Amino acid sequence: NAGVTQTPKFQVLKTGQSMTLQCAQDMNHEYMSWYRQDPGMGLRLIHYSVGAGITDQGEVPNGYNVSRSTTEDFPLRLLSAAPSQTSVYFCASLNWGETNEKLFFGSGTQLSVL
Amino acid sequence: GDSVTQMEGPVTLSEEAFLTINCTYTATGYPSLFWYVQYPGEGLQLLLKATKADDKGSNKGFEATYRKETTSFHLEKGSVQVSDSAVYFCALSEGSSASKIIFGSGTRLSIRP
Repeated sequence: NAGVTQTPKFQVLKTGQSMTLQCAQDMNHEYMSWYRQDPGMGLRLIHYSVGAGITDQGEVPNGYNVSRSTTEDFPLRLLSAAPSQTSVYFCASLNWGETNEKLFFGSGTQLSVL
Repeated sequence: GDSVTQMEGPVTLSEEAFLTINCTYTATGYPSLFWYVQYPGEGLQLLLKATKADDKGSNKGFEATYRKETTSFHLEKGSVQVSDSAVYFCALSEGSSASKIIFGSGTRLSIRP
């Protein structure tokens, strides 16, 4: 099925470890983004991209890096994981030019940092 | 800045009960308002939307009316089903950029058979 695919679904890290959360979409969407979801808080935007080679910071970018070398992929990198990064992460994509409510979300990655 | 506040959960109801999930917002302009739903193990998906005051969004038996005077967008359904068990997110957006969408904290709804 077409859509947004996130891997892994679950991950446990130790403080200081690095890892990459993968996000891929097969809808040829220009816009892709990463959110984190924490208890009692809404989804908060980490980074977003409006096309290959273009990225920008969202509300909570610190501790995360992104790159967009292809239209399909938008990986999120944690260079040195911290317990404060324990969260559920969602990737989303949108076809540029459409109204913003047509965001397509992945099913999420649950990350625990010990 | 803009914000969205929705009722805390979890909300537990019996099948066929009436549902209301409250949502209020703060915005400087005239935002579009949305309800997203997240079923277990899945990503968020748009449930309904309203783009201007007094608009009513509806989908799958759910309704919400954009009330500018009370800055609210409460989600309602007349008779819930077990399959409605999910987490519901209220959200707003000012402007046309997806990067400007602001989400509420989500309300978990559980329906008992």
